[in-house]
Amino acid sequence: EAQVTQNPRYLITVTGKKLTVTCSQNMNHEYMSWYRQDPGLGLRQIYYSMNVEVTDKGDVPEGYKVSRKEKRNFPLILESPSPNQTSLYFCASSLSPGNYGYTFGSGTRLTVV
Amino acid sequence: KQEVTQIPAALSVPEGENLVLNCSFTDSAIYNLQWFRQDPGKGLTSLLLIQSSQREQTSGRLNASLDKSSGRSTLYIAASQPGDSATYLCAVGIYNQGGKLIFGQGTELSVKP
Repeated sequence: EAQVTQNPRYLITVTGKKLTVTCSQNMNHEYMSWYRQDPGLGLRQIYYSMNVEVTDKGDVPEGYKVSRKEKRNFPLILESPSPNQTSLYFCASSLSPGNYGYTFGSGTRLTVV
Repeated sequence: KQEVTQIPAALSVPEGENLVLNCSFTDSAIYNLQWFRQDPGKGLTSLLLIQSSQREQTSGRLNASLDKSSGRSTLYIAASQPGDSATYLCAVGIYNQGGKLIFGQGTELSVKP
């Protein structure tokens, strides 16, 4: 089944403890992206990657890192999480954003205390 | 700056009713528009993708239209069912923004048996 897989689905952590949210797609998509969803603010892009080793900032990149060493994987790294990063995170991929739609993962609900 | 607005924010209808969800955007320079469905605590499921050169797309009981010149899209749901209850999000893809989607805040739909 074609899908975007995120792990973990739920995570509660403490301020300052580094964490990684993994994202993997099995559709050979070149484009991958991370969004966060917050009440009243909607979905906002954090980082995106056009291809392997090519990443760039979205609208809200502060406090996050990403890497794209392989086409299928695009992990989101929080080096020192803070409570304002408590959110619902989504990974998405597309064969080509201009011509094809996006497939989203099931989401990761992160709580930082 | 592109802004996407969805009206109404919430809608409750009896089962069997036909309904229309509205999405408007401020800048017509989009390359596509996508409608998603989000169930509580879950990911986004793509429903329909309309390229900027298209006027409408259909899938089963769903029909989405796009009028770029007026900055509007509608999602028509025929013969609504309780299983259609979810939040519906529209998102536009904009040029020169790294494949970013700009999302509306969504319409929360409740279909009563």
